[in-house]
Order: sequence, then C-alpha cells, then structure tokens
Amino acid sequence: ETGVTQTPRHLVMGMTNKKSLKCEQHLGHNAMYWYKQSAKKPLELMFVYSLEERVENNSVPSRFSPECPNSSHLFLHLHTLQPEDSALYLCASSLYRADTQYFGPGTRLTVL
Amino acid sequence: GQQVMQIPQYQHVQEGEDFTTYCNSSTTLSNIQWYKQRPGGHPVFLIQLVKSGEVKKQKRLTFQFGEAKKNSSLHITATQTTDVGTYFCAAYSGNTPLVFGKGTRLSVIA
Repeated sequence: ETGVTQTPRHLVMGMTNKKSLKCEQHLGHNAMYWYKQSAKKPLELMFVYSLEERVENNSVPSRFSPECPNSSHLFLHLHTLQPEDSALYLCASSLYRADTQYFGPGTRLTVL
Repeated sequence: GQQVMQIPQYQHVQEGEDFTTYCNSSTTLSNIQWYKQRPGGHPVFLIQLVKSGEVKKQKRLTFQFGEAKKNSSLHITATQTTDVGTYFCAAYSGNTPLVFGKGTRLSVIA
C-alpha cells in the first residue's frame, strides 16, 4: 500500500536533538492524524487536522509540535524528547473525520 | 471522554480453534470499525458496521453490531497462522474523533 507514506521509517535521536517526522497521503483525504503506539498505550491519538486546521490536541506535551501545510502533508516536529517518548509514531488519513482511516507504515522512534 | 473497552487483551489459540474479541461502549455508537495490525505492521481497515444488529462476513471472519449499538464482536472460525496480529475496534460517536479500543492480540499455535 502506498496511499500514506511516512519518513523516516526509523529514527534514533538524543534528548537534545531536533528532528521532524513527515507524512504524505495521496488519497485526496481531508483529515490527517498522528498516533503514538507503545506497549503501554496501543493507539494513542495525538493530533487531528481537518482541512488543514488542527481540531484535536489530546494533551500532548509541547515538545511535540505538529504542522499541516496542506491537505496532503503532515509533519511532527520533535525537540528535547525524553526516553519515554520512544514509540512507533503512526500517521493516518481519512476522507472526513468519521471515515475509515488509512495508516502509514509508521516511524519507529528511539530516544537515547 | 468516550471510551471503548475491548476484551480480552490477549488470546492464544491452537490453529483450527475459533476466536472472538468483544468491544463495548457505555454510549450509543454511530458506527464501529475493525482494524487488524500484523506484527511489525500498521493497522489496516477490515470493515465498518453502521446499522443496529448488523452482521457482516468476510470469509472466516464474522462481525456483529449489537442491537443497542453499544457493543460489537469479531469472530474468527478455524483460526490460521495468518490470523496472527492485534485486532482493534474503533468507534465514532457524535462529533468526536474515532476512538480506538486497546486491541486484542491473537497468537495462533500451529
């Protein structure tokens, strides 16, 4: 499946680094999502963008900063992360907010 | 906020045995969706149920939506090793984003 792509697929970073995760969808969808998946919380919704406007922010620490420049692209900017932020970060998109979500392959993040 | 409870958390079965996972909500749901995530993979949409009492089948998989639209189940008949993975239900209610259950991780012993 190539509808939703994510880069990089793997990322190792130190706590003082700044990095960005990128998501791109080629499905013509209007909503995009960031999820965090870890052993403790299998699918934790972080942010929702609908028509490029952030409509949901689930009490995510400010060290995670999303950006949605257009309906096809979504970024997650990372800075001064903690080791407990190590997880699989999944991007998803849907036509509208209530619709089926299509997930990207995820970025496996390790914070040292 | 809305919560969707999914049980069991883990299930180990012998190949050929049946498997069922259940999803429950305290509120009436507009629809319920089921996803499967293979080990090392990402969640993939399986099906959506919308109508009260709806039953849908995909080969050996049977999906049900309760009459009160507060619960749902996924039943797999005669499991195979290809069924291994985590099954998530996800529900939409009103104007909230899709809410995922915690998933049921299925292991199949050959």
